[in-house]
Amino acid sequence: DVKVTQSSRYLVKRTGEKVFLECVQDMDHENMFWYRQDPGLGLRLIYFSYDVKMKEKGDIPEGYSVSREKKERFSLILESASTNQTSMYLCASREPGQGWPTQYFGPGTRLTVL
Amino acid sequence: QQPVQSPQAVILREGEDAVINCSSSKALYSVHWYRQKHGEAPVFLMILLKGGEQKGHDKISASFNEKKQQSSLYLTASQLSYSGTYFCGTEQKRRDNYGQNFVFGPGTRLSVLP
Repeated sequence: DVKVTQSSRYLVKRTGEKVFLECVQDMDHENMFWYRQDPGLGLRLIYFSYDVKMKEKGDIPEGYSVSREKKERFSLILESASTNQTSMYLCASREPGQGWPTQYFGPGTRLTVL
Repeated sequence: QQPVQSPQAVILREGEDAVINCSSSKALYSVHWYRQKHGEAPVFLMILLKGGEQKGHDKISASFNEKKQQSSLYLTASQLSYSGTYFCGTEQKRRDNYGQNFVFGPGTRLSVLP
């Protein structure tokens, strides 16, 4: 079974702090994703990575950056956290392939910015 | 372009049926359905590809009408375990016309009561 783990289930940070959210997958997947989930808005793509050191902006990249130094690890960085970044953050991974293969999600990190 | 899901929420009694709809204003290559139980990661249910096919397993099935850019998820004789939020994900052509992207709908919250 594919396993996607996220470093924290709950995180509380102060406005202006630099925040790192870590995601690790154990299935050697090339593609990894960061989503933000808000009530009534569903899952919105922040960034994704096709391979190590490769990244591409999703639909809502403002205020975020990412890092992919190793294949199994994909980090989401909030350079200066703001209250409007309070949300649930979900990481996902998938194999590359035709169309859009199945994504496997981590359990999520609920971030609160005070 | 985020697809529209309807209804936003539905409450059922065990054994009742439900239909969840997903529609897009953009041409779709495929539609994916995920279910997320409270506090858990979204889990893949099924994928519908172009061709108007219908798929299903157990008492959950789905259809995809590519001409109307619509998909419907059918839950028959619902069980308590069906409770959760159902998301459709749509594979669409990217705005820059290079490849495809994937956009989730806002979700439909399903509650099955005993």
